[in-house]
Amino acid sequence: GQQLNQSPQSMFIQEGEDVSMNCTSSSIFNTWLWYKQDPGEGPVLLIALYKAGELTSNGRLTAQFGITRKDSFLNISASIPSDVGIYFCAASPGSSNTGKLIFGQGTTLQVKP
Amino acid sequence: SQTIHQWPATLVQPVGSPLSLECTVEGTSNPNLYWYRQAAGRGLQLLFYSVGIGQISSEVPQNLSASRPQDRQFILSSKKLLLSDSGFYLCAWSMGVGGPQHFGDGTRLSIL
Repeated sequence: GQQLNQSPQSMFIQEGEDVSMNCTSSSIFNTWLWYKQDPGEGPVLLIALYKAGELTSNGRLTAQFGITRKDSFLNISASIPSDVGIYFCAASPGSSNTGKLIFGQGTTLQVKP
Repeated sequence: SQTIHQWPATLVQPVGSPLSLECTVEGTSNPNLYWYRQAAGRGLQLLFYSVGIGQISSEVPQNLSASRPQDRQFILSSKKLLLSDSGFYLCAWSMGVGGPQHFGDGTRLSIL
């Protein structure tokens, strides 16, 4: 079945460093999404991408929808302690009215002040 | 604007007891609704989804069931809880094909 490979699985970085994570698949998708989950809370949508090649920013976050439609990356610039959490990529084939998403396994980010 | 509410936030239940978790969405009509389970430090496992009142699709065989008695209400239930039912349960909603899902704050379920 369809699967997303998200990497890295975890990152431990120094405050101020830039962060990069990505998701790849052997399947083609029409929508790519990035979420952040704080401890004990539900995931929150960070960025939504709907067009191949699209590059979108949200503050210090930048995400791109791969041109092949099989991958996406998320960059965080100048990390701060509140960036700590689990980041999930998600994708939709867009061919069904169920709205089901495929999720990556998450990247756990820890930031050292 | 749309909001999603889940309750309770935490729940401790003995093995063999029943379960009912509730999720409601406000500010939209005929949303798609979803129940997920998340093990500690792990990814999201889709349990059930619904595209309309009374319509439930199950993704994995398990000890749980779901119901949608009203357009914006989604309930997760069990008649007899197992230890393996422990976890973090998340409800989510979305509109249309390919649209993002929006999550509630989750319920932490511990089985003793």
